[in-house]
Amino acid sequence: GEDVEQSLFLSVREGDSSVINCTYTDSSSTYLYWYKQEPGAGLQLLTYIFSNMDMKQDQRLTVLLNKKDKHLSLRIADTQTGDSAIYFCADPGGGADGLTFGKGTHLIIQP
Amino acid sequence: DSGVTQTPKHLITATGQRVTLRCSPRSGDLSVYWYQQSLDQGLQFLIQYYNGEERAKGNILERFSAQQFPDLHSELNLSSLELGDSALYFCASSVGDGDYEQYFGPGTRLTVT
Repeated sequence: GEDVEQSLFLSVREGDSSVINCTYTDSSSTYLYWYKQEPGAGLQLLTYIFSNMDMKQDQRLTVLLNKKDKHLSLRIADTQTGDSAIYFCADPGGGADGLTFGKGTHLIIQP
Repeated sequence: DSGVTQTPKHLITATGQRVTLRCSPRSGDLSVYWYQQSLDQGLQFLIQYYNGEERAKGNILERFSAQQFPDLHSELNLSSLELGDSALYFCASSVGDGDYEQYFGPGTRLTVT
């Protein structure tokens, strides 16, 4: 079945860039998604990338997609304390069976 | 605020009981998805409805069932509850059936004692 892998923790200093990585197995997806979950909250759709794109930039967020290696990354520039959250990579596969999520990466911001 | 609402926010019940979780999708969205988030299993897709019809099933137990009503709201019914059913249950909605962005509600935290 589909699988999405992420590292569990990332610690960065405030003001630095954060890069969260994800690998996926299902290559039939039209889009790939990044969600953010703050403590005690639901999942917020952060950004997504169309599968025929290599890169998408949205203010402080940059998504890179390497389809050959099935690797997705999310870069957050100038990381702030408000970025502290769990970030999930999500793969819809062919769109038929809901989203497959990674375990989530806890982004920890050091002052 | 995603526009997806879920009630109740918290639910505490005993083993063996039955509960119903409710979800209202964003205005205009026809698809509703249910997900379970637990510490050991992570986020798992349970079931999807599109315009009142079941479209996809994921890792949903036979003790669980769902439906989508004509006004497009959805209910997830959990019966014969076990301690292991304690989790956050999320509803998401999207405009269509297939690969569309899904917007999540705030979740219902279920605690089974």
